[in-house]
Order: sequence, then C-alpha cells, then structure tokens
Amino acid sequence: SQQGEEDPQALSIQEGENATMNCSYKTSINNLQWYRQNSGRGLVHLILIRSNEREKHSGRLRVTLDTSKKSSSLLITASRAADTASYFCATELYGGYNKLIFGAGTRLAVHP
Amino acid sequence: DVKVTQSSRYLVKRTGEKVFLECVQDMDHENMFWYRQDPGLGLRLIYFSYDVKMKEKGDIPEGYSVSREKKERFSLILESASTNQTSMYLCASSLGSLEGYNEQFFGPGTRLTVL
Repeated sequence: SQQGEEDPQALSIQEGENATMNCSYKTSINNLQWYRQNSGRGLVHLILIRSNEREKHSGRLRVTLDTSKKSSSLLITASRAADTASYFCATELYGGYNKLIFGAGTRLAVHP
Repeated sequence: DVKVTQSSRYLVKRTGEKVFLECVQDMDHENMFWYRQDPGLGLRLIYFSYDVKMKEKGDIPEGYSVSREKKERFSLILESASTNQTSMYLCASSLGSLEGYNEQFFGPGTRLTVL
C-alpha cells in the first residue's frame, strides 16, 4: 500500500532555478525521509525530518513537514544539472522496524 | 561508509526457473529489506528481516521467499520466475533501533528480466 504520493510526477527547470517537490501521506508517522535516485541506480538518503520537527535544512535542501495537513515539501535551491534524478519521499510509521513506505517519486530534469 | 552490494546488476532468466538474488551489507546492520521498483509505482516492499533467521512479509510477498542465515546477508528467492516478476530489485539495510529515525542504505539494484 502506498502511503506517500509525490507531486508533481515530473518537473523540468533551468539551472539556477529552485525546484519544489511535494509529498502527501495518509496516516500518522514517526518520521519522513527523502531519497534521491539517479537513473538505474540505488537510492541515496538525503534528509530525515521527525514528526515533531517543522523544517530542516541540509546544504541546498530545505524540507518542511506539516503533520496537520499530512504533507511535506522538498526544496532544492539554485539547482544544477547534476541534481537531475528521481526524488522519493518515504514515511516511517511507529513501531515498524524502520520499515518505510515509498511514494511513486518525482522525476526532476535540470537543463544547463 | 556503509556498503550494500548486490550479486548482479543485470540478470536474465527463463519462466519457471528458480532465481536467487543476494545482498550483503558490511556495517553490522540489524534490518535488511527487499523492494521491487516498477515505473509509476515507486518502491514496494517484498520482505524484510530484523534479525538473523527472522523475516516479515511486506506488501507484495507472493511468489517470493527470503533467507537470512547470517547477519550480513539477505537473499531473495523467486521460487518459479514469471514474466510479471521482471523488475528492478533493490536491497537496503538500516542500523535498527527501537527509537527509529534510521535511514536506509541501498544497494545498486538488480534489473531482472524473465523471458
């Protein structure tokens, strides 16, 4: 069962622009994580935000979490061509052995 | 750095064959996971394991089984491969903590084609 759903499914921007991806989920969570996947490769963890946090930063990444709306957003500032990848949100429920439920992902294309 | 390796990047098998996908992690992680990834569906959990010889079904366990005889190794078995099991298979591991807040570390994936 899919808990997270990303929006948009695909995003195309120019280098230097900001990219915003959104994620919605259905049930209460322990934390929400964002992962990145380059074409045909494994996923790489980007950032984790706990359910009692509202905003988190890591380099050019900014993640927000609104538990009342059951939604999160990932902002990549000053994007680069190397940011071209698919981005997935994943939710971890309470008591779940770190089991994650992934959304379908957003495909980001950054053009030079 | 955590390293998760998978036995093959690409695999081609015939319908009805028994298929073994191997995953090894080198950081003494408690938890290991097998996902399949299909276009438009994201990652779906097949099985996971939180300890040696322990396993739990994920969302789509039908047609699969797993084995974890050693802490570092988690195998996915397709008992009788079918064409609808053509997919990208991803293995992951995590440290394992009752407190949660653990990221998962992924292998590079195995793209399996069943003819």
